[in-house]
Amino acid sequence: AQSVTQLDSHVSVSEGTPVLLRCNYSSSYSPSLFWYVQHPNKGLQLLLKYTTGATLVKGINGFEAEFKKSETSFHLTKPSAHMSDAAEYFCVVRFKAAGNKLTFGGGTRVLVKP
Amino acid sequence: EAQVTQNPRYLITVTGKKLTVTCSQNMNHEYMSWYRQDPGLGLRQIYYSMNVEVTDKGDVPEGYKVSRKEKRNFPLILESPSPNQTSLYFCASSTPTGTEKLFFGSGTQLSVL
Repeated sequence: AQSVTQLDSHVSVSEGTPVLLRCNYSSSYSPSLFWYVQHPNKGLQLLLKYTTGATLVKGINGFEAEFKKSETSFHLTKPSAHMSDAAEYFCVVRFKAAGNKLTFGGGTRVLVKP
Repeated sequence: EAQVTQNPRYLITVTGKKLTVTCSQNMNHEYMSWYRQDPGLGLRQIYYSMNVEVTDKGDVPEGYKVSRKEKRNFPLILESPSPNQTSLYFCASSTPTGTEKLFFGSGTQLSVL
């Protein structure tokens, strides 16, 4: 069965320091991968996606993620956190073999300290 | 402005009292979907629709109904709400594949007493 695991439910960083949000998936097939961000009292917004091609993907607001097939991971990073990055982040996977169904990770809440 | 509009934003009701949460999109998207968000569980799909008059169950359809009579509207109906349906609900829409960029509404916080 396909699954998505976000390894940290909460991450706390200081403003100006790097952010790392970890995501692993379980599948026998190559998936498409997405990161969405949810700011307080808002709907989800797409940050970036990987479907095929270059495994390092750049998104909005300075975020990027790297697809590592051998590690079945798609970790999200940002070199320098900003106060506006405080939000909840969701790793989302699409498994073509599962009828293109989307599966959401449990979410990682990011706190940015001044 | 391209958007998905959900109403109401907040709803408190009692067990067994039928309710409807509306969802409308202005992007002419074929694909629409409902999710519920619970702490630690991420978003789970309730129902989805690939086009007008075409709906399918997601992962957690029990206790919910939907209809898709028009392309822009996709209401979520709880015929007899129960406390375990207390949750944050999101409607989303997308282009035909339904699996690329999803556009989300702002959410409906439902409390069933």
